[in-house]
Amino acid sequence: NAGVTQTPKFRILKIGQSMTLQCTQDMNHNYMYWYRQDPGMGLKLIYYSVGAGITDKGEVPNGYNVSRSTTEDFPLRLELAAPSQTSVYFCASSYSVPLNYEQYFGPGTRLTVT
Amino acid sequence: GQSLEQPSEVTAVEGAIVQINCTYQTSGFYGLSWYQQHDGGAPTFLSYNALDGLEETGRFSSFLSRSDSYGYLLLQELQMKDSASYFCAVTGGSYIPTFGRGTSLIVHP
Repeated sequence: NAGVTQTPKFRILKIGQSMTLQCTQDMNHNYMYWYRQDPGMGLKLIYYSVGAGITDKGEVPNGYNVSRSTTEDFPLRLELAAPSQTSVYFCASSYSVPLNYEQYFGPGTRLTVT
Repeated sequence: GQSLEQPSEVTAVEGAIVQINCTYQTSGFYGLSWYQQHDGGAPTFLSYNALDGLEETGRFSSFLSRSDSYGYLLLQELQMKDSASYFCAVTGGSYIPTFGRGTSLIVHP
């Protein structure tokens, strides 16, 4: 199993551009998550999904959108990129919580907005 | 809402034992998790406590006291490779984990 994969690994965007961060998992997990991590900080939840067709906002959703058309894929869309969105983005997945609590993380996407 | 407090940095020498504390506030409680993250890497799962007491996994142990809203991660026989950030995460009534800001562990030779 590849686990959780994310593309791209690195990206530089200009202010106002848009892009989609891709996330795929091959573990048949119901739950998927998008986090951002700023330097020296913890993980802040942007959006999450409890299954195909179901998404919900996390702590910091402004400026982002998600969709979940399949169990495997959970892309994160940035519209009108701003410098404040410079961060490392991690996608994660898990079985249904709270019975199965371990989250599996992808390698991250390092995004710079200038 | 949910919130967590953990020290920002802990230092120790190789071979020693170190304890990283975590206190939390949450509406409803299902469990407390610990994750390790090396510089530039993804967080990886270490342990989970749903009930009071100590869970041991090799050199790492995790403790939970639900009445005190408190837990800790205990690392024994420290090695240089244990230098990393350690995050506690609480799963409350929303079923979605909330992460602390992380503790940077620096292990000296």
